[in-house]
Amino acid sequence: GEDVEQSLFLSVREGDSSVINCTYTDSSSTYLYWYKQEPGAGLQLLTYIFSNMDMKQDQRLTVLLNKKDKHLSLRIADTQTGDSAIYFCALMDSSYKLIFGSGTRLLVRP
Amino acid sequence: GAVVSQHPSWVICKSGTSVKIECRSLDFQATTMFWYRQFPKQSLMLMATSNEGSKATYEQGVEKDKFLINHASLTLSTLTVTSAHPEDSSFYICSARVGTSGRGEQYFGPGTRLTVT
Repeated sequence: GEDVEQSLFLSVREGDSSVINCTYTDSSSTYLYWYKQEPGAGLQLLTYIFSNMDMKQDQRLTVLLNKKDKHLSLRIADTQTGDSAIYFCALMDSSYKLIFGSGTRLLVRP
Repeated sequence: GAVVSQHPSWVICKSGTSVKIECRSLDFQATTMFWYRQFPKQSLMLMATSNEGSKATYEQGVEKDKFLINHASLTLSTLTVTSAHPEDSSFYICSARVGTSGRGEQYFGPGTRLTVT
């Protein structure tokens, strides 16, 4: 089955850029997603990218997709303390189920 | 738009009792809803896929008789944890899928924290 991996932890200073990485094994996913989870809350859809795109930018968020290397990244520009959360990448399989990565805990230091 | 609610947000129950969790799509119709379980500091584990008007499809290893799912309408799915035990304590999250094809992104509820004493 699909395997989605993320680094567990990232710490950045406020104002710097954050880059959260995700690798996957199955390249048949049509859509790839980034979700944000704050403590004790559900998941918030941040952005998504269609598999035939290399890049998508949405305000402070930039998603890069390298299909050859099966690598997805989320860049957050001008990271703020409110961005501290857990970020999950997710791929949609052929039955429309989401396969989640393990999540990356982002800590933004003032 | 695309708001999903869950009720209750947290519940404490005694071992052996049953607990029902509701998941509602507030401003859209969801033919498919999903139920996930999340352990502390871990990712989400899909428990089952719920389609309106039909039986839920459970993932391997999930006991269908213990976790009863009903999707009675296009805006409501319920998860009942029957004869709950302390090991059922977890964070349960539902999601609702927008549309039936194409992008069909999932929108998540705020989660329900279940503690079984």
